[in-house]
Amino acid sequence: SQQGEEDPQALSIQEGENATMNCSYKTSINNLQWYRQNSGRGLVHLILIRSNEREKHSGRLRVTLDTSKKSSSLLITASRAADTASYFCATAGGSYIPTFGRGTSLIVHP
Amino acid sequence: GAGVSQSPRYKVAKRGQDVALRCDPISGHVSLFWYQQALGQGPEFLTYFQNEAQLDKSGLPSDRFFAERPEGSVSTLKIQRTQQEDSAVYLCASSPPWGLAGGSSYNEQFFGPGTRLTVL
Repeated sequence: SQQGEEDPQALSIQEGENATMNCSYKTSINNLQWYRQNSGRGLVHLILIRSNEREKHSGRLRVTLDTSKKSSSLLITASRAADTASYFCATAGGSYIPTFGRGTSLIVHP
Repeated sequence: GAGVSQSPRYKVAKRGQDVALRCDPISGHVSLFWYQQALGQGPEFLTYFQNEAQLDKSGLPSDRFFAERPEGSVSTLKIQRTQQEDSAVYLCASSPPWGLAGGSSYNEQFFGPGTRLTVL
């Protein structure tokens, strides 16, 4: 069963634009992670945010977490064609084993 | 250094056949996970090992699915009497000691390229 739900399911933007993806979940969590998956590199961990954190940055990535709304967002600034991939949020509760959502498919047009 | 490797990368089986999928984790990683990813979906947890101990197999969809890691390194996921609904990509991931047992609430998982299983 999937815990997180990403929104939108698909996103198409031009290179240089920002891309925002959202994730909503249902039960309380210890941490939330974002992953990227493309055919070339498989599934790659991008960033983790713990339940007591509200915002984290890593390069062009910015993640926010609102535990009161049970939601998170991933912002990719100044997108590049190489950012084209599927992006998944994964929530982890007491077992710390991540439960993945269905993903957002991002296409960045050069 | 070498990452997580999986073999075969592609497997076509006739319905009813048994298949075995192999995962070679990163050397020294004691935690190993198997996931199933159907087309257009996110990975779904199947089972988790710490060394040779299978600590969680709650995600295995039926008793046709069996995983082992006898020496705490290489793992094999076996599917008996395959069905069409078993068609998916099977992902393996490894990490340093997981969860509180490892002294940390989290360690990054490193995923392999997956095995795409097609059951005809």
